[in-house]
Amino acid sequence: EDQVTQSPEALRLQEGESSSLNCSYTVSGLRGLFWYRQDPGKGPEFLFTLYSAGEEKEKERLKATLTKKESFLHITAPKPEDSATYLCAVQGTGGYNKLIFGAGTRLAVHP
Amino acid sequence: ETGVTQSPTHLIKTRGQQVTLRCSSQSGHNTVSWYQQALGQGPQFIFQYYREEENGRGNFPPRFSGLQFPNYSSELNVNALELDDSALYLCASSQRSSGANVLTFGAGSRLTVL
Repeated sequence: EDQVTQSPEALRLQEGESSSLNCSYTVSGLRGLFWYRQDPGKGPEFLFTLYSAGEEKEKERLKATLTKKESFLHITAPKPEDSATYLCAVQGTGGYNKLIFGAGTRLAVHP
Repeated sequence: ETGVTQSPTHLIKTRGQQVTLRCSSQSGHNTVSWYQQALGQGPQFIFQYYREEENGRGNFPPRFSGLQFPNYSSELNVNALELDDSALYLCASSQRSSGANVLTFGAGSRLTVL
């Protein structure tokens, strides 16, 4: 069964304090691994898609990496506006494009 | 380019009632998916519609049903509401392809069942 586990559940950082979020996954055939950002009361906002082990993508202070079992979202010198829940999801090759989500990491960045 | 829009944004129902939630897809997208997100959890896949037919379903009972219309908009219907149905219901649209499909989400409909 396809499964995604994210850690930590919650993370509190000081502004400028870099850190990483972890996403462990099992899937029978990976079509893509996705990172989304979700602000309170809003829908998930797309950040990255990673397709194969070794791939990396960057956007502003965020960098996502992928191995055969894990993905990491590295946050460099975060700002308070980076505070949100970060969701990881996998899309398998099982015939249609459903996403299996983890429970998310709630990130709070304090000035 | 318009995004995914959902209505209503909030609603309150009582146990046993029925509810209909609506979704307009992003322009150019032909596939609609619905997800349920309980408080503090990640979204869970309910079902997907493509070419006006259900194209895949998660672990949800038959009282969860849906429709997709020729303009790719969609409805989610839930009958015989239960307290555990209280959640944020998210609609997502995408353009079906053979590769990984990026889903664009709406802001959701917050359902409270009393």
